[in-house]
Amino acid sequence: RKEVEQDPGPFNVPEGATVAFNCTYSNSASQSFFWYRQDCRKEPKLLMSVYSSGNEDGRFTAQLNRASQYISLLIRDSKLSDSATYLCVVALYNFNKFYFGSGTKLNVKP
Amino acid sequence: DVKVTQSSRYLVKRTGEKVFLECVQDMDHENMFWYRQDPGLGLRLIYFSYDVKMKEKGDIPEGYSVSREKKERFSLILESASTNQTSMYLCASRWEQGNTGELFFGEGSRLTVL
Repeated sequence: RKEVEQDPGPFNVPEGATVAFNCTYSNSASQSFFWYRQDCRKEPKLLMSVYSSGNEDGRFTAQLNRASQYISLLIRDSKLSDSATYLCVVALYNFNKFYFGSGTKLNVKP
Repeated sequence: DVKVTQSSRYLVKRTGEKVFLECVQDMDHENMFWYRQDPGLGLRLIYFSYDVKMKEKGDIPEGYSVSREKKERFSLILESASTNQTSMYLCASRWEQGNTGELFFGEGSRLTVL
């Protein structure tokens, strides 16, 4: 069983749309949660951390549900530049192991 | 800006050859990681080093070894390359003292084993 599961997509949305991605994780000992972004043929980069109370960064909102072991990312007012693969990542308590989902591909179209 | 540099972007090797993948980071990070990324499988941890000369096996260490003689450099070694090691290899570093989850990745090394 994978540690982190994501819908691979692709999600094809028009500019300006709101889109949501979800992921689930299997290890209840997971302590920290993140969304990374990976552009085509590029390395992953941190998009945002996910806090228990939920957090927002501009057009991006992340939510965590520990009881259901579920993380979400909401993107409002999608831009063409948001087209990428979004990786859900969980870390155990000492940060020496990060588990990556296989990613959800987003295509934003004009 | 943190820079993580991987020595080779593209390599083609033959089965049985020894392969060295080098990674250098310039921000004095304590932790360094080697991952491989395959379609549908995501990033999988091969080895992790939390300090010089320290290493821990990740989830898929078989067929790989690592070396960390200096803080800035973390090498991945394939003693005898096999076709199932064809993959994208990503090195990452992390600042342990910052107590954050931010990993800084290199651009990756795409290895093809024939």
